[in-house]
Amino acid sequence: ELKVEQNPLFLSMQEGKNYTIYCNYSTTSDRLYWYRQDPGKSLESLFVLLSNGAVKQEGRLMASLDTKARLSTLHITAAVHDLSATYFCAVDAGGTSYGKLTFGQGTILTVHP
Amino acid sequence: GAGVSQSPSNKVTEKGKDVELRCDPISGHTALYWYRQSLGQGLEFLIYFQGNSAPDKSGLPSDRFSAERTGGSVSTLTIQRTQQEDSAVYLCASSYKGRETQYFGPGTRLLVL
Repeated sequence: ELKVEQNPLFLSMQEGKNYTIYCNYSTTSDRLYWYRQDPGKSLESLFVLLSNGAVKQEGRLMASLDTKARLSTLHITAAVHDLSATYFCAVDAGGTSYGKLTFGQGTILTVHP
Repeated sequence: GAGVSQSPSNKVTEKGKDVELRCDPISGHTALYWYRQSLGQGLEFLIYFQGNSAPDKSGLPSDRFSAERTGGSVSTLTIQRTQQEDSAVYLCASSYKGRETQYFGPGTRLLVL
């Protein structure tokens, strides 16, 4: 059974600082997603990572994938308040999974002035 | 263009009653997914449709849960004889084909009293 673990689960940051959220998964996968969720809202797609060594960047967020280590990271650069949200990684195990996603627990990010 | 829509946005029901939740996917998307989000269990996969058929129903928690999709478009998730543990946010997502980025609807917040 595929398990996906994120850490930290709670992250309180000061504006302007850098930090990294980690996402570990337990079985081989060739497809990993990062989503953002604001309170009371649905999930917004941020990145899809499709191969080992893939790196995607959008604004202050950068995501990477190491399929050999079964690890993805979401790096936050010079955090701003607008980045406060819950971030989920989700893994598509491939094969007969038909794109079914297994989600991590989510990381609640709060950015303080 | 229009995103994934779900109705109702909120539903309060009494234990033992049946409820129907509706999902309208993005036009042209052949794959449709239902997930459930609750405090205790996080985000869980329920069922996947490709066209009108459901090759993967593995996430449905009990035989009280069923879903159908008609015309390759609208899907309905039905919960019979609701229980308090069914209280959660039910999220629908669609993708152009299976194994591509899933776009989520706003969810239906279900409360069973």
